[in-house]
Order: sequence, then structure tokens, then C-alpha cells
Amino acid sequence: AQSVTQPDIHITVSEGASLELRCNYSYGATPYLFWYVQSPGQGLQLLLKYFSGDTLVQGIKGFEAEFKRSQSSFNLRKPSVHWSDAAEYFCAVGGGYQKVTFGTGTKLQVIP
Amino acid sequence: NAGVTQTPKFRILKIGQSMTLQCTQDMNHNYMYWYRQDPGMGLKLIYYSVGAGITDKGEVPNGYNVSRSTTEDFPLRLELAAPSQTSVYFCASSTFPLGDEQFFGPGTRLTVL
Repeated sequence: AQSVTQPDIHITVSEGASLELRCNYSYGATPYLFWYVQSPGQGLQLLLKYFSGDTLVQGIKGFEAEFKRSQSSFNLRKPSVHWSDAAEYFCAVGGGYQKVTFGTGTKLQVIP
Repeated sequence: NAGVTQTPKFRILKIGQSMTLQCTQDMNHNYMYWYRQDPGMGLKLIYYSVGAGITDKGEVPNGYNVSRSTTEDFPLRLELAAPSQTSVYFCASSTFPLGDEQFFGPGTRLTVL
């Protein structure tokens, strides 16, 4: 069965610092991988997705993620965090007719 | 485009009451989903639909029912509400089959007392 692990429940970074959120997945074939962001009281919004091709994926709001098949990872990065990036981030895996499985989320706090 | 809309935003129910959570999308998506989100648990799929008239169970369907009479609407029915159904409910839709990008509504926060 497919699964997603986000090992960090909570991360705190200073504004302007770099950010990396970890995501490991388990999937039997080539996965579709997603990162979503959820601001307080809102629904989830897609940041970026990987289906195939270039393993470094660019998304909205200056985020990027790198697919590493050998490590079953899809970590999310941003070089310089802004206070408005404070939110909860969800990694997800799916593929074709396989339903999407979401991780448990990582809450990001940004210190001024 | 309004995208995916959900009503109500908030609701308090007493144990044993029933209610319907409404979901409408205006993107002509065939695929629609209902999730519940509990703290620290991520999103769990309740039911999904691959088109009008076709629905199927997800991971946690017990205590819920759905129908899909039109492409746009996918209501979720709670019969005999229980405290375990206290949660935030999200409706989503997608263009392509189940494993693709989904568009989410703003959610309904439900409390059962």
C-alpha cells in the first residue's frame, strides 16, 4: 500500500532563512508527487507536482522540490522564507487510478 | 470561476442529528472527493465519485453517505451524528483520474456535541 511520511510535525525558521521540509513515500510504481499548502482556516492549495521528467520541480511562491527515486524522497525547499509562508504543508503521493494519499503535515512557523 | 464551494462553513450538531454538507464545483470536473481532516492525521478519504451517478467508498466511509446526480454537485450526508465525526471536512475535485492534482474547497468545520 502506498504511504507518505513527513517526519517533522513542526518546524520554526527565521524570516529570510532557507527552508527544507522532508517527505518520504512508498509506492509500487512511478509516483505522482505533490506538495500542498494550507493556510489557517483555508483549503489546500497545490504548490507543485512531479509526474515525470526533470527531477527538480519549480512551483508557485518560490518553492521547489527534488524527486530522489533512490531515497524515495520528495523534499520541499525555499531559499528565503517570508512571514507569509507560515502555514501547514502536506506532501502527497498518487498515480493514475491510484487514489492520492496525504502525509500528516508539517506546520511551519516563521520568526521575524 | 468560483472553483469549489462548500456550505456551511461551520456547524454544531447534537448527537443523533443529521445534516448534509454541500459541495459544488464549476470547473466541469468529473472527479470529486470528500475528505475529513483531524489534527495530526492528515486527510482521510471518505467517498469519491468518478462522474455523475457513480460513487465509491474511500478509507473512512462509515457513518456517511453521498450522491452525485449532477457533474457540479457532490453532497455528503451525515446520518445519526456522533462525536467521532467532529472534524473539518473538505470537498475537492480534479480533471483527471484519482491520482492527479486536486482543487479543494475552503472546508466545513463540524462539531458534534
